[in-house]
Amino acid sequence: RKEVEQDPGPFNVPEGATVAFNCTYSNSASQSFFWYRQDCRKEPKLLMSVYSSGNEDGRFTAQLNRASQYISLLIRDSKLSDSATYLCVVNGDFGNEKLTFGTGTRLTIIP
Amino acid sequence: EADIYQTPRYLVIGTGKKITLECSQTMGHDKMYWYQQDPGMELHLIHYSYGVNSTEKGDLSSESTVSRIRTEHFPLTLESARPSHTSQYLCASSELFSGNTEAFFGQGTRLTVV
Repeated sequence: RKEVEQDPGPFNVPEGATVAFNCTYSNSASQSFFWYRQDCRKEPKLLMSVYSSGNEDGRFTAQLNRASQYISLLIRDSKLSDSATYLCVVNGDFGNEKLTFGTGTRLTIIP
Repeated sequence: EADIYQTPRYLVIGTGKKITLECSQTMGHDKMYWYQQDPGMELHLIHYSYGVNSTEKGDLSSESTVSRIRTEHFPLTLESARPSHTSQYLCASSELFSGNTEAFFGQGTRLTVV
């Protein structure tokens, strides 16, 4: 079983729609969680950290469920510029602090 | 803007050559990583380091080696390049564990071995 699992998509979504991505992780001792965005042929960049209480940044909402080892990302009112691959990232527990990336979910926003 | 740099950006080299991919960061980060990514595919961690003189193998077996003699440098070396090494190599750095710490990536080195 992979340490971090995501639905690879692709998700083809009309502009203005709401889209949700899910991610599960296998190490229950994992300490921190992130969503990164990677544009085609570019390096990944941090989109947002994921906090236990859930957090929002404009049109983006991230949720963490430690009991189910599940992370989600919600994008509201999607824009053409949201087209990218979204990567779920998990940092290991103390003494095993390495960032593990999911396979990524490819999103295309359709005009 | 992240202060992490990779050179070269693109490299085309013949089979059997020794190559070193450079990665430097000026943020004073202790943790550094090397990832390998084929086009349209996932990132695979091949090496990481917690600081000077620390190197660890990642999740994906790799014939490359790394060194960490200085905090700011984390070069990756292939002693004898092969076509199977053709890929994009991404270097990243972050602070040592401090809660929700962000990793910053370099722009990558696209390696082609012919």
